[in-house]
Amino acid sequence: GAGVSQSPSNKVTEKGKDVELRCDPISGHTALYWYRQSLGQGLEFLIYFQGNSAPDKSGLPSDRFSAERTGGSVSTLTIQRTQQEDSAVYLCASSQAGTRGDTQYFGPGTRLTVL
Amino acid sequence: GEDVEQSLFLSVREGDSSVINCTYTDSSSTYLYWYKQEPGAGLQLLTYIFSNMDMKQDQRLTVLLNKKDKHLSLRIADTQTGDSAIYFCAEPTSGTYKYIFGTGTRLKVLA
Repeated sequence: GAGVSQSPSNKVTEKGKDVELRCDPISGHTALYWYRQSLGQGLEFLIYFQGNSAPDKSGLPSDRFSAERTGGSVSTLTIQRTQQEDSAVYLCASSQAGTRGDTQYFGPGTRLTVL
Repeated sequence: GEDVEQSLFLSVREGDSSVINCTYTDSSSTYLYWYKQEPGAGLQLLTYIFSNMDMKQDQRLTVLLNKKDKHLSLRIADTQTGDSAIYFCAEPTSGTYKYIFGTGTRLKVLA
């Protein structure tokens, strides 16, 4: 596609429910990244995919968070048993090769609110 | 450490120049980036500079890089109300592909 797309744009859920956030990267980009932006904070790295594999999951805050990528394209970030502190904007980015200095292009984000 | 530092707020009058500053950490960074985030939107790549450059100009934008002091700045000439946004500087972390972002500078342009 022309750019990185994410869905839904907004998600309101109740504490304890599971949510799935979707990211469609730019066509042909092999690398995909998830970041989290909490209110008034910078961006926090969550996970990185090169193709379908995730060599770096170090940023995932707890085992309630997981992500997968299929077909080297779409990625899904799943948060189980959501907590109020999970409320944030979740941003997805993709880059052509995933090498150092490779420019990352961001989607519009999914704003998650946990009540 | 891995902190990229920016001041949190900047307020300027329409037509004036804005200068947003950033201090980064990794002297071996190959590229340094500026992203713009408008309210309710994702991050838009604004410009970047390669580490062997001191300056890059792109229309109203001028990026200055001082590698000795690990200082990056973004100057916006003739600032317009549409420039009101949060500006993030970012650097790739040492030996990896991850970006470290600053906390962002919120630019407010007064009419």
